[in-house]
Amino acid sequence: LAKTTQPISMDSYEGQEVNITCSHNNIATNDYITWYQQFPSQGPRFIIQGYKTKVTNEVASLFIPADRKSSTLSLPRVSLSDTAVYYCLVSKKTVAQKLVFGQGTRLTINP
Amino acid sequence: IAGITQAPTSQILAAGRRMTLRCTQDMRHNAMYWYRQDLGLGLRLIHYSNTAGTTGKGEVPDGYSVSRANTDDFPLTLASAVPSQTSVYFCASSDSSLAPNEQFFGPGTRLTVL
Repeated sequence: LAKTTQPISMDSYEGQEVNITCSHNNIATNDYITWYQQFPSQGPRFIIQGYKTKVTNEVASLFIPADRKSSTLSLPRVSLSDTAVYYCLVSKKTVAQKLVFGQGTRLTINP
Repeated sequence: IAGITQAPTSQILAAGRRMTLRCTQDMRHNAMYWYRQDLGLGLRLIHYSNTAGTTGKGEVPDGYSVSRANTDDFPLTLASAVPSQTSVYFCASSDSSLAPNEQFFGPGTRLTVL
């Protein structure tokens, strides 16, 4: 399993764009990159998943460079409600039981 | 409302007692999972089930057992609870044929073993 490394914590302000980068140097050819969000006292929530280049949905964008050794989750115009822990995971798309949640990035949005 | 329910919401248990955490989903997902989350840490997979009638061990299976008699239910049993099993337990499900990495999580059960 590819190990992921992401910042322990980040701070930003309302209205700003926030980019959280995850490093996964040993990513395999058939690995996908998935991001989850977790609010206090709740279960994680799927945000976005990608394999290469760029993926965008109504919540976030995911940028993956050509070498796929890192990925960046981009949250546009954050609000206080985006304060949460964000997890970057790398896994085979067909082997969900191998999802490994690290410590994640604790994002704090300030007024 | 579609989703995953867990029961109980919280429980305080004496060491040595047997406890079953319940998990039910109504999304007809074939795959289900149990995770534990300790304070300040990420989630660790305990057991999983790819389809009714099958189960598998995750990263931290010792002291826990599961069964999957049907698609909707996936109970987690602690045969003889120990204090190190104090944690928040999350159940999740996914449609492994479409998007196995998109797991839907329940609200969690906060378990304290004294």
